[in-house]
Amino acid sequence: GAVVSQHPSRVICKSGTSVKIECRSLDFQATTMFWYRQFPKKSLMLMATSNEGSKATYEQGVEKDKFLINHASLTLSTLTVTSAHPEDSSFYICSALKTSGGWYEQYFGPGTRLTVT
Amino acid sequence: GQQLNQSPQSMFIQEGEDVSMNCTSSSIFNTWLWYKQDPGEGPVLLIALYKAGELTSNGRLTAQFGITRKDSFLNISASIPSDVGIYFCAGQSSGAQKLVFGQGTRLTINP
Repeated sequence: GAVVSQHPSRVICKSGTSVKIECRSLDFQATTMFWYRQFPKKSLMLMATSNEGSKATYEQGVEKDKFLINHASLTLSTLTVTSAHPEDSSFYICSALKTSGGWYEQYFGPGTRLTVT
Repeated sequence: GQQLNQSPQSMFIQEGEDVSMNCTSSSIFNTWLWYKQDPGEGPVLLIALYKAGELTSNGRLTAQFGITRKDSFLNISASIPSDVGIYFCAGQSSGAQKLVFGQGTRLTINP
């Protein structure tokens, strides 16, 4: 297997402030990481693909200026929710791509619960 | 866009029963993955399938990659309380790194 961590696990912030979430691959290098958002009782919704050393690729409808992604090293990607509002409250999950024998496998972090008051 | 239909959406079973769930797609995938998600946690990879027709087991779990490459199923034998959770299938197209997820199957077990 492979281990991916996220920090913080829970965060409460006030409306208008920014929040940074970190995603780390602990025992492998990941040139590609993904950021998902999950609403209650729903499946995972891909927000963006984070590429080490280059700009992130955002899915349609996701505001890149609101959800800033930085992938500065092979083991760390960060998601910053800027000027957060209550509607940004959600469960954010990252994953890291591991290549294994020519195949891709995505390993997920434990998630970050964001509550904006 | 690509869509995965996962069924059933929810299951209520007795402990010890076998469980079966499946995913179908309108398009071909080169890889099928099955994940389990516990409340408040991220998904955990259970089984990865890479070849059409492949049947792979992981303990009491068995999954198969359909011959048409448009479907996959996951079976759980002799269910136990810790099997409770949401199971997601995910497909990956050739050359793509992104995953397409099913809607999830919520498994509840009555002791």
